[in-house]
Amino acid sequence: DIQMTQSPSSVSASVGDRVTITCRASQGISSSLAWYQQKPGKAPKVLIYAASSLQSGVPSRFSGSGSGTDFTLTISSLQPEDFATYYCQQANSFPLTFGGGTKVEIK
Amino acid sequence: QVQLVESGGGVVQPGRSLRLSCAASGFTFSSYGMHWVRQAPGKGLEWVAVIWYDGSNKYYADSVKGRFTISRDNSKNTLSLQMNSLRAEDTAIYYCARDWKQQLEDWGQGTLVTVSS
Repeated sequence: DIQMTQSPSSVSASVGDRVTITCRASQGISSSLAWYQQKPGKAPKVLIYAASSLQSGVPSRFSGSGSGTDFTLTISSLQPEDFATYYCQQANSFPLTFGGGTKVEIK
Repeated sequence: QVQLVESGGGVVQPGRSLRLSCAASGFTFSSYGMHWVRQAPGKGLEWVAVIWYDGSNKYYADSVKGRFTISRDNSKNTLSLQMNSLRAEDTAIYYCARDWKQQLEDWGQGTLVTVSS
């Protein structure tokens, strides 16, 4: 199974800050990676697919990069509605696996 | 718009069975693979199972293999998860999700399963 390691597990940031979350796969997965946002009590929502493609309707302050084993989700200017937990997920092979999550909290 | 509505959750004793359903609408259900994903209280996401658009292939997480069965009825736009031999560690919110190249494009609101005596 492919292990996904996300860091940090939590980050405190202020509105307007640039936030970067990283995800590392235990083996190469090409660009088969998605990023999700989950708010308390809600289902996850896809932000980025194929490592760097922005899902329709997602603000352009979100961006993804990387390929192979190392990936990054960047929020260029944090907004109040972005405080949530973020997960990466490898889409290369079954079983699909998620990172442990990164909670973005208000500083 | 795409709508996925899970049902069937509840409280069940260890060792018993439960069947979850997911009613799909707003898209051509028979053209998409479908997944179940779960989330234990306060924990992260865990993928459970996938079924191909036509039911021809199914894959499971090791943690549920041999106990859970994913199925679908394309005539009724319904996805199901039969869960047998339930354990305390199966306690979670169960989400159904629509597949797009092994990424989870749309999610339901989830249904809570609690395994407890």
